[in-house]
Amino acid sequence: DIVMTQTPLSSPVTLGQPASISCRSSQSLVHSDGNTYLSWLQQRPGQPPRLLIYKISNRFSGVPDRFSGSGAGTDFTLKISRVEAEDVGVYYCTQATQFPWTFGQGTKVEIK
Amino acid sequence: EVQLVQSGAEVKKPGESLKISCKGSGYSFTSYWIGWVRQMPGKGLEWMGIIYPGDSDTRYSPSFQGQVTISADKSISTAYLQWSSLKASDTAMYYCVRHPADYWGQGTLITVSS
Repeated sequence: DIVMTQTPLSSPVTLGQPASISCRSSQSLVHSDGNTYLSWLQQRPGQPPRLLIYKISNRFSGVPDRFSGSGAGTDFTLKISRVEAEDVGVYYCTQATQFPWTFGQGTKVEIK
Repeated sequence: EVQLVQSGAEVKKPGESLKISCKGSGYSFTSYWIGWVRQMPGKGLEWMGIIYPGDSDTRYSPSFQGQVTISADKSISTAYLQWSSLKASDTAMYYCVRHPADYWGQGTLITVSS
């Protein structure tokens, strides 16, 4: 199985400041079709997860542009340019390149 | 509008069977993989397995192989997750999700307690 490792596991941030989460996979996530199926999800307290970013860097419909994704191969990053109160929650990376699909452990973003 | 609507919360006893559902609408149900995800209380997300409703191709994560059964009825655009004999450790929230994780069901809370 591909292991997804996120750092940090907890990220206290000041409102208006940037935040960054790293996700590293144990194997390359480049699929045989040339795509890299690495996504980022946000889970606010008490809610289902919500897709933010797919295929490394594509923002999903309705996602604010303060969220951005980057990376390649085995190293990926989610950045929030200016954290807002509504961004509090747990963020997960997930890969769908190779089955079984796997998630990272989650990174809790909270306001200082 | 794409929607995945799951069946309601359940309270069951150990050893009982259960089948929960996930009804898709607003898109071609047979053209996208549907996955099931478990979230135990206070814990992270775990992929359980996936199904392609178009041909019922089904794959299970090793941790869940033999523990659950995933199926789909494309005539009614509905995917299912079932247990033949529940354990207390199956207590969790279960989500269905369309690949590539773009649309999620609201979740079904399963509580297994004697």
